[in-house]
Amino acid sequence: DAKTTQPPSMDCAEGRAANLPCNHSTISGNEYVYWYRQIHSQGPQYIIHGLKNNETNEMASLIITEDRKSSTLILPHATLRDTAVYYCIVRGGSSGSARQLTFGSGTQLTVLP
Amino acid sequence: EPEVTQTPSHQVTQMGQEVILRCVPISNHLYFYWYRQILGQKVEFLVSFYNNEISEKSEIFDDQFSVERPDGSNFTLKIRSTKLEDSAMYFCASSNNRGSSYEQYFGPGTRLTVT
Repeated sequence: DAKTTQPPSMDCAEGRAANLPCNHSTISGNEYVYWYRQIHSQGPQYIIHGLKNNETNEMASLIITEDRKSSTLILPHATLRDTAVYYCIVRGGSSGSARQLTFGSGTQLTVLP
Repeated sequence: EPEVTQTPSHQVTQMGQEVILRCVPISNHLYFYWYRQILGQKVEFLVSFYNNEISEKSEIFDDQFSVERPDGSNFTLKIRSTKLEDSAMYFCASSNNRGSSYEQYFGPGTRLTVT
């Protein structure tokens, strides 16, 4: 699975959009970009994933560049409860098996009041 | 909304004792996982399980560890003889495949303290 690079920390004002970047320059054609977050030692929480197209759900939007070498997770209106470590993970899918997630150090997002 | 549950939330055991950590995955999921996180460190993969057998395991998952799906709902992780370095949060996760993507849903974790 391709390696990802994320800034170690970011701050965001409450109510503003939080834009979390991720570089995955060695991503290959069948690899998905996943985003998870972990709030203070709780279990990691799935946020969103994508392959090529931009994706949006009730939690966030995922913007993937056309060359797929980087992506941005957008939390449109950050709240204090969004303070967490955010992980960008690239993983390939393979039919008939479910592959592990490899967690890096992630980005510590702190939402400030 | 369905969720993964884990019991107990906190387990304290003495070195050398056996422990069993329990998980109830989301009911229609077919793939099951255990991860662990030592305090202050990254989340690490231990093992994945599908169709009643191990699919993948990491170097951490040595002969002291085993997994089982004893019935249609539970998924367990057994550590045969615990060591001090097994102290960690243990997370269970489950997933189902949608095409080639397998988003995993994690439980709240069991904090294992080995004394």
